[in-house]
Amino acid sequence: GENVEQHPSTLSVQEGDSAVIKCTYSDSASNYFPWYKQELGKRPQLIIDIRSNVGEKKDQRIAVTLNKTAKHFSLHITETQPEDSAVYFCAGGGGTYKYIFGTGTRLKVLA
Amino acid sequence: ETGVTQTPRHLVMGMTNKKSLKCEQHLGHNAMYWYKQSAKKPLELMFVYNFKEQTENNSVPSRFSPECPNSSHLFLHLHTLQPEDSALYLCASSHDPGLAFEQYFGPGTRLTVT
Repeated sequence: GENVEQHPSTLSVQEGDSAVIKCTYSDSASNYFPWYKQELGKRPQLIIDIRSNVGEKKDQRIAVTLNKTAKHFSLHITETQPEDSAVYFCAGGGGTYKYIFGTGTRLKVLA
Repeated sequence: ETGVTQTPRHLVMGMTNKKSLKCEQHLGHNAMYWYKQSAKKPLELMFVYNFKEQTENNSVPSRFSPECPNSSHLFLHLHTLQPEDSALYLCASSHDPGLAFEQYFGPGTRLTVT
């Protein structure tokens, strides 16, 4: 069936370095790609999203890129800080198979 | 607590019990959702309601029964659950039911089936 693959499952970076998380989707009808951050014991919250008519979007230290041809999109976090440590989920939405989440990436920012 | 609220936050139940999870959204949204979050698995969409009508049931076992009396409230009735149903159950809402917009999540109910 349709799915969203997310890599890596865990990622450790030194404070101040960049982190990149990648997702690949299979439903070509998907047109909305959000990224959620879930801190330990808390609810998932949207941090950035992108629609299929845009190739890149940036919000301060966070950016998302979309390659529709290859059907993959990535989250980029620059100048990482300890408070960036969390689980990050990508999702593909608006397509035939609705909202499908990736398996999550546990990001650890080492001080 | 504003936004999307869920009660109870923690629930322990036996396999023969009947219990209900409650979700309420204060955002004026039209769509509400139930998700299951298990360890090392993606968030699994269970049910979707648009304007109180169920539009999606992702092959969820009948021991989970949703109810949406109005656009602000959503329930998940549980009966005869299995230990593998233990998980975090998240409710979410969004303004548009097209599933192409941000979803606002509740804090979740941590369910343990013994």
